[in-house]
Amino acid sequence: QKEVEQNSGPLSVPEGAIASLNCTYSDRGSQSFFWYRQYSGKSPELIMFIYSNGDKEDGRFTAQLNKASQYVSLLIRDSQPSDSATYLCAVNIGGSGYSTLTFGKGTMLLVSP
Amino acid sequence: GAVVSQHPSRVICKSGTSVKIECRSLDFQATTMFWYRQFPKQSLMLMATSNEGSKATYEQGVEKDKFLINHASLTLSTLTVTSAHPEDSSFYICSAPADSYEQYFGPGTRLTVT
Repeated sequence: QKEVEQNSGPLSVPEGAIASLNCTYSDRGSQSFFWYRQYSGKSPELIMFIYSNGDKEDGRFTAQLNKASQYVSLLIRDSQPSDSATYLCAVNIGGSGYSTLTFGKGTMLLVSP
Repeated sequence: GAVVSQHPSRVICKSGTSVKIECRSLDFQATTMFWYRQFPKQSLMLMATSNEGSKATYEQGVEKDKFLINHASLTLSTLTVTSAHPEDSSFYICSAPADSYEQYFGPGTRLTVT
């Protein structure tokens, strides 16, 4: 059974701090990994994705992937109150073509001014 | 980026009635669309994969006769919740892949069954 695990939180950080969100997955065949942000009552929006081991940076966001440990994380630098949301980790086993995403339950992030 | 719309955004219906939710890809064609359901404080659960021109593929535990999916064109998929009951009240979200791996989500439909 494919599983994606996240700490539900809430993770509370002060404005300007680094927020670190973690995710583990069970299926070693997983090939691509996504971080979505979801505000209350809204649908998820893609923040970034990562396919290869290592780090991938996009602005204030850095995704880190370690396939050997089956672990993916998201770092948010200079956290802002507007970053307060639930962050969903999603995993795609995928090969060619479209494959389904398996989502974690999400981690709620609270950034205090 | 690619845009996916859903209609309606909110619907309230009485128990026993049916509700249709539309999912449209506005600026791209989608041979595949996905339907998710999200209960409060829970994650997105994939209900089914909608395939243009063929039958939908349902996830284990999802009743295909209750959740009817039609994907009649390359830009439209519909989900009909038949004989809705209060336990079907949820946030229904569709998504469509616009390229190899990324999925673009619609804004969601909040269904309340009274």
